[in-house]
Amino acid sequence: AQKITQTQPGMFVQEKEAVTLDCTYDTSDQSYGLFWYKQPSSGEMIFLIYQGSYDEQNATEGRYSLNFQKARKSANLVISASQLGDSAMYFCAMSRSGYALNFGKGTSLLVTP
Amino acid sequence: KAGVTQTPRYLIKTRGQQVTLSCSPISGHRSVSWYQQTPGQGLQFLFEYFSETQRNKGNFPGRFSGRQFSNSRSEMNVSTLELGDSALYLCASSLLLAVTDTQYFGPGTRLTVL
Repeated sequence: AQKITQTQPGMFVQEKEAVTLDCTYDTSDQSYGLFWYKQPSSGEMIFLIYQGSYDEQNATEGRYSLNFQKARKSANLVISASQLGDSAMYFCAMSRSGYALNFGKGTSLLVTP
Repeated sequence: KAGVTQTPRYLIKTRGQQVTLSCSPISGHRSVSWYQQTPGQGLQFLFEYFSETQRNKGNFPGRFSGRQFSNSRSEMNVSTLELGDSALYLCASSLLLAVTDTQYFGPGTRLTVL
């Protein structure tokens, strides 16, 4: 069965610094997608970034980049120049053909001034 | 383009009652998925619909049901509510069912069962 592991329950980072949130996954599928979502205290899940299993370049979206290491089955999220508004829960998720999106347990990020 | 909308946003029910939650996907999206989020269990998949057909179902009892209409709008129903059904119910829509399709989430419905 596919499994998403986020080993950091909570992280602190100072404003304007970069932070890396870890995500490892387990699948024997060749074709899959990896996603990161942000969930502020309001509850809405906000899509941040996507990486396809066949993509050779790491995905980037503004201040977000995904450090994709296929052989190690890791898909870490890097947030550059953290802002106070980045404080939230962050979820890593994986999609596979014929299966629903599978989420990790999440990492709570707190950005301090 | 309007995002995913969910109604109602908040709901308080008592044990034994039933509840219906509604989700309107992004215009043009044909797939709708439902998730339950609780502090203890995290995000759990409920069901997934595409073109009015349930394509996938999570490991939930038969009290949880859903449907999708021809305009892609979806509803989920929980009958005989239990205290443990208190949760944030999230709906997500995507264009199709492809692995590469991003699911966009609505704001959620927070259900409290007393």
